[in-house]
Formats: sequence, C-alpha cells, structure tokens
Amino acid sequence: AQSVTQPDIHITVSEGASLELRCNYSYGATPYLFWYVQSPGQGLQLLLKYFSGDTLVQGIKGFEAEFKRSQSSFNLRKPSVHWSDAAEYFCAVQRNQGGKLIFGQGTELSVKP
Amino acid sequence: NAGVTQTPKFRILKIGQSMTLQCTQDMNHNYMYWYRQDPGMGLKLIYYSVGAGITDKGEVPNGYNVSRSTTEDFPLRLELAAPSQTSVYFCAIGQNYEQYFGPGTRLTVT
Repeated sequence: AQSVTQPDIHITVSEGASLELRCNYSYGATPYLFWYVQSPGQGLQLLLKYFSGDTLVQGIKGFEAEFKRSQSSFNLRKPSVHWSDAAEYFCAVQRNQGGKLIFGQGTELSVKP
Repeated sequence: NAGVTQTPKFRILKIGQSMTLQCTQDMNHNYMYWYRQDPGMGLKLIYYSVGAGITDKGEVPNGYNVSRSTTEDFPLRLELAAPSQTSVYFCAIGQNYEQYFGPGTRLTVT
C-alpha cells in the first residue's frame, strides 16, 4: 500500500536560516509527488509538484524540492526562511490522474526571530 | 482557494443529529473530493467523484454519504453524527493531477 512518512513532526528554524523538510514515500513505481502548505485556520495551498523529468522542481514562495528515486524521497527546501513561512507542511503522493492523494502526517514549522 | 466554496465554516452538532456540508466550485473541474483532517493525522479521503452522477468511496467513508448531481456541487451528508466525526473537513477539486482545496469546515460533535 502507498504511504508517506514525514519524520519530523515539528521543526524550529531561525529567520534567514535554510530549511529542509523530509518526505519519504512507499510505492512500487514513481508516483506523482506534491508539497502543500497550510497556514493556521486555512485550507491547503499547493507549493510544488513533481510528475517526471528534472528531479529538482521549483515552486511558489521560493521553495524547491528534489526527487531522489534511490531514496524514495522528495524533500522540500528553502535557502532563507521568512517569518511568514511558519505553517504546517504536507507531503502527498498520487498514483494516477484523479486518484486520491495520500498525505503524510505533516511537519509544523516554527520560525524564530 | 481556487474557486472552491465551503459552507458552513463552523458547526457544532449534537450526537445523532444530521447535517450537510456544502461544497461548490466555479472552475468546471471534473474531479471533486472530500477529506477530513484530524490533528497529527494528515488528511484522509472520505469520498470522491470523477464527474456528475459518479461517486466512489475513499479511505474513511463510514458514516458519510455524498451525491454529485451537477459538476458544480458535491455535498457531504452526515446522517447520525458521532463524536468520532469531530474534524475539519476539506473539499477539493482536481484537474490534470493537481488538487485545489477549499477553506474547510470545522465540525464539532458533542
């Protein structure tokens, strides 16, 4: 069965520091991969996605993610975190078009001034 | 929230009551989904629809029903509310592998 693991429940970084959020998935083939962000009391916003091709994908708000097939990982990165990035981040996989999204448990990001 | 409207935003139900969570889209997307979000659990799919007149169960359908009579609307029905259904409910629409989420409905059953 497909599954997604986000090993870090909560991460705190200082403003201006770099960020990496980890995501590992379990699936027989390469699924479609997504990162979503959820601000408190809000819905989920799509940050970026990977379907095929270049394994480094760029998203909105200065985020990027790298797909590593050998590690079944799709980690999210940002070179310099802003206080407004404090939110919860979800990694998700999808097997096919229209298929359900399988979400990780989420990583809550706090940003220190 | 990409043209997805959910009502109500908040609701408190007593055990055994029923209610309908409304979801409407103005993007003309074929795929629509209902998820629930529980603390520390990510989101779980309740039901989904690939087009008007077609619905199917997701991971956690028990206690819920849906219908899809039009492209725009995908209501979620709770017939006999239970405390286990206390959650935040998100409707999403999908096209070309991407899903876009509504703002959510926070439901408490006491």
